[in-house]
Amino acid sequence: NAGVTQTPKFRILKIGQSMTLQCTQDMNHNYMYWYRQDPGMGLKLIYYSVGAGITDKGEVPNGYNVSRSTTEDFPLRLELAAPSQTSVYFCASRSMARGHNSPLHFGNGTRLTVT
Amino acid sequence: QKEVEQNSGPLSVPEGAIASLNCTYSDRVSQSFFWYRQYSGKSPELIMSIYSNGDKEDGRFTAQLNKASQYVSLLIRDSQPSDSATYLCAVGPPPGGGADGLTFGKGTHLIIQP
Repeated sequence: NAGVTQTPKFRILKIGQSMTLQCTQDMNHNYMYWYRQDPGMGLKLIYYSVGAGITDKGEVPNGYNVSRSTTEDFPLRLELAAPSQTSVYFCASRSMARGHNSPLHFGNGTRLTVT
Repeated sequence: QKEVEQNSGPLSVPEGAIASLNCTYSDRVSQSFFWYRQYSGKSPELIMSIYSNGDKEDGRFTAQLNKASQYVSLLIRDSQPSDSATYLCAVGPPPGGGADGLTFGKGTHLIIQP
């Protein structure tokens, strides 16, 4: 199993450009998440999904959009990139084995710079 | 607003000693607790989960949970230079709290001195 796979690993965007961060998992997990991590600030939840066709906002959703058309894929869209979106983005998933108490499995991250 | 607090460090520990990492959380009814290790430039890696009061041991790692004090800790015995990393404490949602992931502390930077 590959686990959670994120692409790209690195990206530089100009202000106002758009892009999609890809995330796919092969563990058949229903729950998927997008976090961003800024230096010294911990992980902040952007969006999450409990299954195909169902998404919801996290703590810091502004400037982002998501979709969940399949169990495996959970892409994150940045429509108008801003310098404040410079961060490391992690996709994660978890099973329902312990309901909401299961641990998260993380992808390797995408390091995004907006200049 | 759920909060998870950790001392950011750095915490410096000699090789072979016990490293003790601490975490407090605000939501009294939380039921699941996790420790993740994160090397610089890498993704968080789960090292321990704990759900009941008391101690849970896994190799050189021991997680301790005290729900009455809203306190969870991680002990690393026989610390090795490879244990140098940032350790993230994470708390799961309360019962009925929904699927909105884990709440993370900002992490403690641990340095094991050879």
